[in-house]
Amino acid sequence: AQSVTQPDIHITVSEGASLELRCNYSYGATPYLFWYVQSPGQGLQLLLKYFSGDTLVQGIKGFEAEFKRSQSSFNLRKPSVHWSDAAEYFCAVGPTVHNNDMRFGAGTRLTVKP
Amino acid sequence: KAGVTQTPRYLIKTRGQQVTLSCSPISGHRSVSWYQQTPGQGLQFLFEYFSETQRNKGNFPGRFSGRQFSNSRSEMNVSTLELGDSALYLCASSTQGPGNSPLHFGNGTRLTVT
Repeated sequence: AQSVTQPDIHITVSEGASLELRCNYSYGATPYLFWYVQSPGQGLQLLLKYFSGDTLVQGIKGFEAEFKRSQSSFNLRKPSVHWSDAAEYFCAVGPTVHNNDMRFGAGTRLTVKP
Repeated sequence: KAGVTQTPRYLIKTRGQQVTLSCSPISGHRSVSWYQQTPGQGLQFLFEYFSETQRNKGNFPGRFSGRQFSNSRSEMNVSTLELGDSALYLCASSTQGPGNSPLHFGNGTRLTVT
């Protein structure tokens, strides 16, 4: 069955430090991969997506992610974190085989220390 | 372009009652998906509507239903509310459906069942 795993429930980084959020997927075909961010009391906002082509994708707010088929990973990175990046981050994969839906990971909550 | 609009933002209901949530998608988006978000279960897919037809359904009881109108606006109904239905309900619109195209989320409706 398709699944998405975000191994880190909560990460704390200092402002200005680099960030990497991990995402692993289990999927039987070439997936479409997404990263979303959710601020408190808000819906989810798309950061970036991978459909095909260049495995390093650039997103909004200075984020990037790299698709590594051999590792079944799609990790999100940012070279220098800002306090406003504190939020919850969700990795997602789609479409699934049985339902044309998008499957989300459990999320990683990012705290930024001043 | 206006984003996805969900109304109301907050709802408090008692057990046994029913509730209707509304979602207006981005103009031109024909797909509307609904998700339930809870701390314990994360983001769970409820159903998707495309051009007034329910195209996909998640693993929720029949108390959860929805519909889509000719202008792509969608409503979700929950009957015979249970305490466990307390959650943030998110609506998302897209051009081709979840998994195949990025989702654009509303800010959600926070439902509290007492």
